[in-house]
Amino acid sequence: AQSVAQPEDQVNVAEGNPLTVKCTYSVSGNPYLFWYVQYPNRGLQFLLKYITGDNLVKGSYGFEAEFNKSQTSFHLKKPSALVSDSALYFCAVRVSGNTPLVFGKGTRLSVIA
Amino acid sequence: GAVVSQHPSRVICKSGTSVKIECRSLDFQATTMFWYRQFPKQSLMLMATSNEGSKATYEQGVEKDKFLINHASLTLSTLTVTSAHPEDSSFYICSAREQGPNAEAFFGQGTRLTVV
Repeated sequence: AQSVAQPEDQVNVAEGNPLTVKCTYSVSGNPYLFWYVQYPNRGLQFLLKYITGDNLVKGSYGFEAEFNKSQTSFHLKKPSALVSDSALYFCAVRVSGNTPLVFGKGTRLSVIA
Repeated sequence: GAVVSQHPSRVICKSGTSVKIECRSLDFQATTMFWYRQFPKQSLMLMATSNEGSKATYEQGVEKDKFLINHASLTLSTLTVTSAHPEDSSFYICSAREQGPNAEAFFGQGTRLTVV
């Protein structure tokens, strides 16, 4: 069975500084990895995904993530954080086929002006 | 990206009544939709997988007679919470995926259900 770990409940970063939100995964087979962002009382918005190809994936709003197979990680990064990036971030994984996403517990990002 | 519309966004109902939540894929056909439940400050827990034209597959611990799922067309799935109780109060989110092995899932805006 697949699983996702987001070791940090909360990440605080000053505006303009780089941010990293950590994610590690466990699957049998090749992983399909995703990052989503959730604002209060809203659904999830897709940020980026890794299926195959380049390990560095660029997504929406200046976010990127790096797939590291040896460390089974897929950390989310952004070079310069904005206050508007403050939200709840979910890492998710699935295997190929019509399987559902399995989510991490989420990491709350707070960007301080 | 593709759009998934979920309705209503908020609903308050009395104990013992039933509530229907709709999930529509507006600009793509979704053979599979997923229903999740999210408790405060927690992650999304998969409730069931809904395939168009067939019975939904429920996760362990989810009562299929209480959470009725119908996926009658390629653009619409519904979740009906029957005989609702206060412990059913939660945030329910649907997800629809485009066809193809590499497709990402798109999510509805969620429904905040409060049972009083």
